[in-house]
Amino acid sequence: EVQLVESGGGLVQPGRSLRLSCAASGFTFDDYAMHWVRQAPGKGLEWVSGISWNSGSIGYADSVKGRFTISRDNAKNSLYLQMNSLRAEDTALYYCAKVAVTTRGWYFDLWGRGTLVTVSS
Amino acid sequence: EIVLTQSPDFQSVTPKEKVTITCRASQSIGSSLHWYQQKPDQSPKLLIKYASQSFSGVPSRFSGSGSGTDFTLTINSLEAEDAATYYCHQSSSLPITFGQGTRLEIK
Repeated sequence: EVQLVESGGGLVQPGRSLRLSCAASGFTFDDYAMHWVRQAPGKGLEWVSGISWNSGSIGYADSVKGRFTISRDNAKNSLYLQMNSLRAEDTALYYCAKVAVTTRGWYFDLWGRGTLVTVSS
Repeated sequence: EIVLTQSPDFQSVTPKEKVTITCRASQSIGSSLHWYQQKPDQSPKLLIKYASQSFSGVPSRFSGSGSGTDFTLTINSLEAEDAATYYCHQSSSLPITFGQGTRLEIK
């Protein structure tokens, strides 16, 4: 079965760190770019970060630049998000999403169920 | 940053009704516009790619149109299971952005 399963979320104090993981299965992970997208409680979708298939191209939203680091381990079919200096406004459900690329461009064709991060003292 | 503005924010509709949701981009994005459906307590699911192409397995009552800055998602003959929030998304340039969402309530 083609799926993405996130883990690593939890309750963390402001200023602390957390590392999220996303385990991929059912497809050739190292063929695809991957992204993190978050959704604050009751709010819309916000892109966080993305990484190319070979980690050669990485991008971040301004809201997390300098605090979050995306990485991947193709041998382990896994995507990661290291989150440092966490703030209350980082509280959200974090989804990993797989990219489908065509000659016309790209889009997200598969999402995980998400892992909840709560930043609070 | 490309801003995507959806309208309406909320709509209450009856089954079998036709629904139209619009998404306007702050600058031209060609056809790099995609639509997702998110039901309560579920992750988003792709409905329409490149403005008008239906994704595999999506019911034929869902269709999309538009290019440049103005896009439309149409749901023909709405069903109760279509109660959800709908988001547009642009992949034309970084940062990736989403519309604010349109919540559909079924009466």
